[in-house]
Amino acid sequence: GQQLNQSPQSMFIQEGEDVSMNCTSSSIFNTWLWYKQDPGEGPVLLIALYKAGELTSNGRLTAQFGITRKDSFLNISASIPSDVGIYFCAGQNYGGSQGNLIFGKGTKLSVKP
Amino acid sequence: DSGVTQTPKHLITATGQRVTLRCSPRSGDLSVYWYQQSLDQGLQFLIQYYNGEERAKGNILERFSAQQFPDLHSELNLSSLELGDSALYFCASSERDRVNTGELFFGEGSRLTVL
Repeated sequence: GQQLNQSPQSMFIQEGEDVSMNCTSSSIFNTWLWYKQDPGEGPVLLIALYKAGELTSNGRLTAQFGITRKDSFLNISASIPSDVGIYFCAGQNYGGSQGNLIFGKGTKLSVKP
Repeated sequence: DSGVTQTPKHLITATGQRVTLRCSPRSGDLSVYWYQQSLDQGLQFLIQYYNGEERAKGNILERFSAQQFPDLHSELNLSSLELGDSALYFCASSERDRVNTGELFFGEGSRLTVL
């Protein structure tokens, strides 16, 4: 089945630093999404991307939908302690039997104050 | 608070047993999705319902079954439990006009431990 390769698996950074993580796939997706999961909670949608090449921001977060439709990246600028959590990329194809999300394994972010 | 309610939050049971997990979607949402999250497999899609009907099926074992009721709440039934079924089970819902966009609202999950 389809798989997403998300990297890095974990990051330890200093507060104020910028963060970059990415996701690649061997197959194309129509939609790329980024979710964040805090401990003991369910994932929360951060950004959704619908068009190849699209660059979208949400506050200090910026994500891009790769031109090939097989990758996406997420940047976090000027990290703060509450950015700690696990970030998941997800790819979606709609229509037919593919109407479900495929998630990456996650990037665990730790921020040192 | 996403508005998606899941019960129970924690469940401990023995191998061979059967459990039922319950989910209420956000008010107005017609779709319900079930996901399993384990340490080694990550978030795996199990099944989707839309307005009472099964819409899509993922990696759901034959020992597992689900349904969505007329009031739109959903139940996930797990039977003949094995140690490997220990995981977090998430329910999610999506807005009526955003079904299959990938934009999901997740509940807080039900943590199942099989001993």
